[in-house]
Amino acid sequence: AQSVAQPEDQVNVAEGNPLTVKCTYSVSGNPYLFWYVQYPNRGLQFLLKYITGDNLVKGSYGFEAEFNKSQTSFHLKKPSALVSDSALYFCAVRDPRVIFGKGTRLHILP
Amino acid sequence: SAVISQKPSRDICQRGTSLTIQCQVDSQVTMMFWYRQQPGQSLTLIATANQGSEATYESGFVIDKFPISRPNLTFSTLTVSNMSPEDSSIYLCSVDLSGRNEQFFGPGTRLTVL
Repeated sequence: AQSVAQPEDQVNVAEGNPLTVKCTYSVSGNPYLFWYVQYPNRGLQFLLKYITGDNLVKGSYGFEAEFNKSQTSFHLKKPSALVSDSALYFCAVRDPRVIFGKGTRLHILP
Repeated sequence: SAVISQKPSRDICQRGTSLTIQCQVDSQVTMMFWYRQQPGQSLTLIATANQGSEATYESGFVIDKFPISRPNLTFSTLTVSNMSPEDSSIYLCSVDLSGRNEQFFGPGTRLTVL
């Protein structure tokens, strides 16, 4: 079965520093991978996806993710963190139902 | 994108009762899904709502507890039956836009069972 793992429950980053939220996947065949963000008391929002093509995928709010087939990873990145990026981030895989990782809470410290 | 609405947005219910949650989409979609999310936790897929046929349930979820209707391509309901406090959660409707490989989520229904 397809699955994703987010090894970190929480990530703390100082504002202005680069951030990385980790995700590894386990799929058979070509993976369809996604990142979603959930702000406090708000719905789930789509950030970006990898289906095929360039390994570096750009998404909303300045986020990007790098697909690495050899390491089976799909880490979310941003060059310069904002306090407003503080939220719960989910990595997900489609098989075709979308299955979510456990989530990583990102805290951006002012 | 798709605009998804859910009713009710929240409810407080008594143990043993049932609640039906409605999901309305502003466009016709092939695939609709129901998820459950404990606050601050991950999303767990309950079932895929199939138009014109029975829903497909994930392991650990059964039709008697979570009956689902999908009468057309823009609407679905999820009923939480014979509720217990363990059913307290946020229930989210989600749709998949054909050809987009993106899944959109409704705002959720926050259910509290006393």
